Amino acid sequence: GAVVSQHPSWVICKSGTSVKIECRSLDFQATTMFWYRQFPKQSLMLMATSNEGSKATYEQGVEKDKFLINHASLTLSTLTVTSAHPEDSSFYICSARAQSYEQYFGPGTRLTVT
Amino acid sequence: QQQVKQSPQSLIVQKGGISIINCAYENTAFDYFPWYQQFPGKGPALLIAIRPDVSEKKEGRFTISFNKSAKQFSLHIMDSQPGDSATYFCAASIRGSGSEKLVFGKGTKLTVNP
Repeated sequence: GAVVSQHPSWVICKSGTSVKIECRSLDFQATTMFWYRQFPKQSLMLMATSNEGSKATYEQGVEKDKFLINHASLTLSTLTVTSAHPEDSSFYICSARAQSYEQYFGPGTRLTVT
Repeated sequence: QQQVKQSPQSLIVQKGGISIINCAYENTAFDYFPWYQQFPGKGPALLIAIRPDVSEKKEGRFTISFNKSAKQFSLHIMDSQPGDSATYFCAASIRGSGSEKLVFGKGTKLTVNP
């Protein structure tokens, strides 16, 4: 149990385009999901907290107009990187909080902006 | 006060040996302490977690030791195997805070030599 999926697992896009990443909790409902960004050989950096049915809460320094988050249901949250630039290239990981408070992570999405 | 300090940054252990990773925190409001294992290119996987009302928790070869007065907790991997080679992250959060954001340590890269 406690499986979280992400789609796509990797994506290459051109500078200026937008990319949507999906995060799904497959076997449990998650009222809260989180989006992280991870640079090589570094720890996870929390970008935003996504609550079902309400606006996401962004961490300081994260542009909410650039990283659009939608938590439309108890099993799906999406992150859209708008007008992507090469500096947005990174490993994006979501997590979903179970009722028992554990957070389960997705497999990550590798974004490369050319 | 939100920091979690993790050491060592890297660790090399022989097969069959014990791997020990330490973490320290400042915020006494933290009441949930999970450990995650991450392989390259993958999302973190929840290994084991502890709450401050117990001093030790064991699951298979993995043990968390928790010292509330010292504000420290550690992960012990017994009989370490080459397959345990990964990056390990400790984390802390406050349950019931409304978001349960995880504060991560910087990670420890473990290499188990055959």
